[in-house]
Amino acid sequence: AQKITQTQPGMFVQEKEAVTLDCTYDTSDQSYGLFWYKQPSSGEMIFLIYQGSYDEQNATEGRYSLNFQKARKSANLVISASQLGDSAMYFCAMREPYYGNNRLAFGKGNQVVVIP
Amino acid sequence: DTGVSQNPRHKITKRGQNVTFRCDPISEHNRLYWYRQTLGQGPEFLTYFQNEAQLEKSRLLSDRFSAERPKGSFSTLEIQRTEQGDSAMYLCASSPDRGPGNTIYFGEGSWLTVV
Repeated sequence: AQKITQTQPGMFVQEKEAVTLDCTYDTSDQSYGLFWYKQPSSGEMIFLIYQGSYDEQNATEGRYSLNFQKARKSANLVISASQLGDSAMYFCAMREPYYGNNRLAFGKGNQVVVIP
Repeated sequence: DTGVSQNPRHKITKRGQNVTFRCDPISEHNRLYWYRQTLGQGPEFLTYFQNEAQLEKSRLLSDRFSAERPKGSFSTLEIQRTEQGDSAMYLCASSPDRGPGNTIYFGEGSWLTVV
C-alpha cells in the first residue's frame, strides 16, 4: 500500500503567487517524520522542510511552510511568492517509525511550473 | 561546505557489463544511503550504512548489486551483469546522527542507461 500519496496533476503557477502541494500519508505509528524535497531537472534532491509528528507548530523555512494536519494525515507544502527557479518536481516523504528506521518512503511527486 | 558528490553523473553501458558508481558524502555524516529512482516515480530505498557497516538492504538490492563503504567515508555501488531494467537514476545521500529529523541530504544522482 502507498505510504505517501501525491495525486495532483502538473500545476502551472503565476510568478509571485503562492502554491499549495498536497500530501497525505498512511501510518499507524505515533512517531514519524515528514519531509519535502525539490527535484529540478538536474536531478538533485534538495531538502526543503521537515515536520516531526510531535511538533505542535507547523514548520516554516523561508518561503516554504508545511500545513500539518495530523488528524487528517496530511502534510501540505505551501510555497509563497513563487519564483521561476521553483519550477521542479516536489516530493513528500516519510520516515516511520521515526526511531530505528533509516528509510524514507517517497510519494510520486508533484510537478510545478512557474510562469512569468 | 560541499554537499554529497556522485560520479559519474551519466553512464551508458551495454547489457551484461558491470558498472560502478561512487559517492562522497558530506564529511561529518556517519550515515550513508543509496536510493534508486525510475522515471515518474519517487526514490526507492536500496541500502544504508552506519559508518562502514551496511546495516540495511532492501529486497530491491538483488545479488547483482553490491555496495561498500570502506573506512566509513566514500561508498561505491556496483551493478554486475547489467540488465535494461537497471536503467534508472541512482541517488546517494547522507545524514548526521543527530539534528532535526536526522535530515537526509541527497547528491545529484548518477544516471544509468543500459542499452
